[in-house]
Amino acid sequence: DAGVTQSPTHLIKTRGQQVTLRCSPKSGHDTVSWYQQALGQGPQFIFQYYEEEERQRGNFPDRFSGHQFPNYSSELNVNALLLGDSALYLCASSLSFGREAYEQYFGPGTRLTVT
Amino acid sequence: AQSVTQLGSHVSVSEGALVLLRCNYSSSVPPYLFWYVQYPNQGLQLLLKYTTGATLVKGINGFEAEFKKSETSFHLTKPSAHMSDAAEYFCAVIAPDTGRRALTFGSGTRLQVQP
Repeated sequence: DAGVTQSPTHLIKTRGQQVTLRCSPKSGHDTVSWYQQALGQGPQFIFQYYEEEERQRGNFPDRFSGHQFPNYSSELNVNALLLGDSALYLCASSLSFGREAYEQYFGPGTRLTVT
Repeated sequence: AQSVTQLGSHVSVSEGALVLLRCNYSSSVPPYLFWYVQYPNQGLQLLLKYTTGATLVKGINGFEAEFKKSETSFHLTKPSAHMSDAAEYFCAVIAPDTGRRALTFGSGTRLQVQP
């Protein structure tokens, strides 16, 4: 049973550029959430996708956008990169209903470095 | 709004000693509580969770935690530390009655295990 997968593993970008990160959820899951984890901090919620729509959003600017595809995989896009966007980006998947809906499974993350 | 406070950014114990990692939460509604572990350069792995029912919950790798509503705490314990327990531990909260399903994380506690 495949868990949550993310690509790429590492990425180096220059300030002002745009980046796209990808996530495939755990088999059977239909909801995808994205988190940003800066060095030495806990993850911060960016947004959550279900049924191809953004359902909830954290305190992140509009430079952060996403998409969910019919197969439940998801992309995170960040425009006009800033040095402060350097972080580990984590994708988590979950079910959309039931008590298990609150149990999120995380992928290994994408390490983004902005220079 | 919910918040999580993890007392002690670094905890060091000897192999075989008791592990105690502290977590206090703030929530206006009954919370669901989680402990995650993060090994270097990896994503988050769920250790255990409290939703409803028994307040003492057991997780993987011999860890357990007790939900104490009166103390708004959810401390993580393990009777005997192993070298393999060295990692970063995060406490997280969700308030299901609000309809929001985003995890709010603490800032983490790095556990060192001395031989």
